[in-house]
Amino acid sequence: SQQGEEDPQALSIQEGENATMNCSYKTSINNLQWYRQNSGRGLVHLILIRSNEREKHSGRLRVTLDTSKKSSSLLITASRAADTASYFCATDEYGNKLVFGAGTILRVKS
Amino acid sequence: IAGITQAPTSQILAAGRRMTLRCTQDMRHNAMYWYRQDLGLGLRLIHYSNTAGTTGKGEVPDGYSVSRANTDDFPLTLASAVPSQTSVYFCASSRDRGEPQHFGDGTRLSIL
Repeated sequence: SQQGEEDPQALSIQEGENATMNCSYKTSINNLQWYRQNSGRGLVHLILIRSNEREKHSGRLRVTLDTSKKSSSLLITASRAADTASYFCATDEYGNKLVFGAGTILRVKS
Repeated sequence: IAGITQAPTSQILAAGRRMTLRCTQDMRHNAMYWYRQDLGLGLRLIHYSNTAGTTGKGEVPDGYSVSRANTDDFPLTLASAVPSQTSVYFCASSRDRGEPQHFGDGTRLSIL
């Protein structure tokens, strides 16, 4: 069963615009992670936010976590064509596994 | 270059055949994982190993088996392939469970 549910399923923006993707989950978590997947490749880890953190930055990425609403968002600022990819959230449920959502497909048009 | 190597990159297999997907990492990570990725379903965990010598079942383990004889290798075996096992299979590793995972580039498997 999927824990994280990303929204929207697909997003198309112009280069230079910001892209926001949301993730909702159902149970208590240890941390939440965001991954990127380029077409035909494996997933690449972007950022990890722990349950006691509310916001984290990495370059053009900003992640927020609201444990009361069981939701997270990933913001990519000043998007580039190279950001075109699928983005997945994954939750660590204090167990032995990450549970991945179905992903958001981001297309950045140049 | 450090990372995860998966082999083969793609395979077409007749139903009923046995197949082993290979996965090797050179990062000395303790934990390793096998996922399958199907359109619209994201990644689903098949089996995992928190450390050499131990394995555990994930969300969709039926029809698959794994072994972890050493730190570096984590092969996935389909004992008797069925068409519903057609998928893209990803191997991943992490320093410890709960840590960020590093992924291979996948094996695209078609069962006819």
